[in-house]
Amino acid sequence: AQSVTQPDIHITVSEGASLELRCNYSYGATPYLFWYVQSPGQGLQLLLKYFSGDTLVQGIKGFEAEFKRSQSSFNLRKPSVHWSDAAEYFCAGRLRGNEKLTFGTGTRLTIIP
Amino acid sequence: GAVVSQHPSRVICKSGTSVKIECRSLDFQATTMFWYRQFPKQSLMLMATSNEGSKATYEQGVEKDKFLINHASLTLSTLTVTSAHPEDSSFYICSARWGGPGATNQPQHFGDGTRLSIL
Repeated sequence: AQSVTQPDIHITVSEGASLELRCNYSYGATPYLFWYVQSPGQGLQLLLKYFSGDTLVQGIKGFEAEFKRSQSSFNLRKPSVHWSDAAEYFCAGRLRGNEKLTFGTGTRLTIIP
Repeated sequence: GAVVSQHPSRVICKSGTSVKIECRSLDFQATTMFWYRQFPKQSLMLMATSNEGSKATYEQGVEKDKFLINHASLTLSTLTVTSAHPEDSSFYICSARWGGPGATNQPQHFGDGTRLSIL
């Protein structure tokens, strides 16, 4: 079955520190992968997406993600977090030609001063 | 660009009433829109895919008669929760994709969601 797994429910990081949020996928073929961010009580904003090609993807707000086929992972990174990055982060995937997005369970990011 | 507006943002109503939620693509035409439900501290679950001018495609386990979807124009889809009960309380989010049936590589753009509370 197709699935996206985010192993970390909650992560706390100091402001200015680096960040890595984990995402693993399980699909029969290489999926399209996405990272979204959700602020409390709001919808989702697309941070970045991977379809093919360069495995290091740059996104908005200084985020990047690296697709690693050998590890079935698509981890999100940011070199230095800001207090405004505190939010819920969702990894999602879908197959080519299939519009149904499968979301991970999300990782809540808390930033401490 | 690619703004999706969802209305209302919050609604509280009595058990047994019907509630309509609107999802509009403000600056692009959306042949396809999607409706999700999100339980507290959980992920988004796709409820149905809404296609302009045709019937919606519901995911397994979603009651079609309970959650009525209408996509009458290229910029508007509505979700009506009929005879709502407390267990229908949830956060409902819509998304819209630019382009026609062949534009499946276009990303989904999400609305800000509707918090539905049934008393």
